[in-house]
Amino acid sequence: GAVVSQHPSRVICKSGTSVKIECRSLDFQATTMFWYRQFPKQSLMLMATSNEGSKATYEQGVEKDKFLINHASLTLSTLTVTSAHPEDSSFYICSARPGLTNEQFFGPGTRLTVL
Amino acid sequence: KQEVTQIPAALSVPEGENLVLNCSFTDSAIYNLQWFRQDPGKGLTSLLLIQSSQREQTSGRLNASLDKSSGRSTLYIAASQPGDSATYLCAVRGYSTLTFGKGTMLLVSP
Repeated sequence: GAVVSQHPSRVICKSGTSVKIECRSLDFQATTMFWYRQFPKQSLMLMATSNEGSKATYEQGVEKDKFLINHASLTLSTLTVTSAHPEDSSFYICSARPGLTNEQFFGPGTRLTVL
Repeated sequence: KQEVTQIPAALSVPEGENLVLNCSFTDSAIYNLQWFRQDPGKGLTSLLLIQSSQREQTSGRLNASLDKSSGRSTLYIAASQPGDSATYLCAVRGYSTLTFGKGTMLLVSP
């Protein structure tokens, strides 16, 4: 149980285009979802936290107009990187937390490469 | 602001050795601490979760301890195997967020 999927697993896009990444909780309802970014040999950095049906809360330094997060249902959250640039190339990992528990379950990650 | 430090950054050992990975954190007001494994280019696999009221957790060849007052945790791996090669991440949960260390990259050679 407690499986989180991400799609796509890998995406390459041209500079200036937008990319959407999906995160799904497959066997539980996720009231809260988290988006992280990980640069090579660095730790996971939290970008934003989203609760179903409400606006996401972004961490300091993360542009909300560039990284659009939608958490429209209890099993799906999407991250859209708008007008992507090479510096946005990174590994994006989502995480989901069921109900009021303290445990988070992580997706397999999406490798974004912006040319 | 919580800071999590993992030592060493990288470790290379021959197969069969017992080893210890260290994690320290600056704010002892935590709910729990979790150890993850991350294979190259992959997501996270949860290994052990220790609640703040607990001292240790065990799963197979893995044992994690927690000393909340001193802000330390260790992950002990017994009889290491080449399949244990991965990056091991420590993460502490505060009021609302999970803060990660940079990880220890482990290589176990046959």
